[in-house]
Amino acid sequence: QQPVQSPQAVILREGEDAVINCSSSKALYSVHWYRQKHGEAPVFLMILLKGGEQKGHDKISASFNEKKQQSSLYLTASQLSYSGTYFCGTEIDRNRDDKIIFGKGTRLHILP
Amino acid sequence: SQTIHQWPATLVQPVGSPLSLECTVEGTSNPNLYWYRQAAGRGLQLLFYSVGIGQISSEVPQNLSASRPQDRQFILSSKKLLLSDSGFYLCAWSVKGNYGYTFGSGTRLTVV
Repeated sequence: QQPVQSPQAVILREGEDAVINCSSSKALYSVHWYRQKHGEAPVFLMILLKGGEQKGHDKISASFNEKKQQSSLYLTASQLSYSGTYFCGTEIDRNRDDKIIFGKGTRLHILP
Repeated sequence: SQTIHQWPATLVQPVGSPLSLECTVEGTSNPNLYWYRQAAGRGLQLLFYSVGIGQISSEVPQNLSASRPQDRQFILSSKKLLLSDSGFYLCAWSVKGNYGYTFGSGTRLTVV
């Protein structure tokens, strides 16, 4: 039930782009994306709902392919502040329960 | 505005001792509440969640328990801590519906 994230880690230079993927073996109701800085709590970035959608948040955007049960997070022209661990969280059945299960995370390190 | 309080920030407890972590939310009513645990360098593991007073769902059978005595209060407890209980405990809340989670600042628990 835990979503699978890839890659596990990414090292980029400032200004480069990154893509983080999240896939599930189950049909999804929604996908959440969070960023966690070292020693801090995760911070919500965005939620995507079934029906397939794409969202943007400054230079960070995401897509949700409902047919493939996959979501991707796109970081464009990465900045030093983008460093951290990115987690996707998936929600399967809103009618039965209201919880998300997180993937293991993708560590992103931006070099100057 | 809504805020979430979690305490204590750090805790060092001996094996076999009891545990009580408290989380309160202000500025909202009838929130969904969650307890997650993060082992060092690892992902976020859902422990318990609650959609209302007295309603607790357990995700992982272990020596931990949770209670929700009031609408905006969520408590994580243990009668006897194990070494494996060490980790970063995060409380989170969400509005019912298609919204993200807001995490508290976390409690770093070390069982010695």
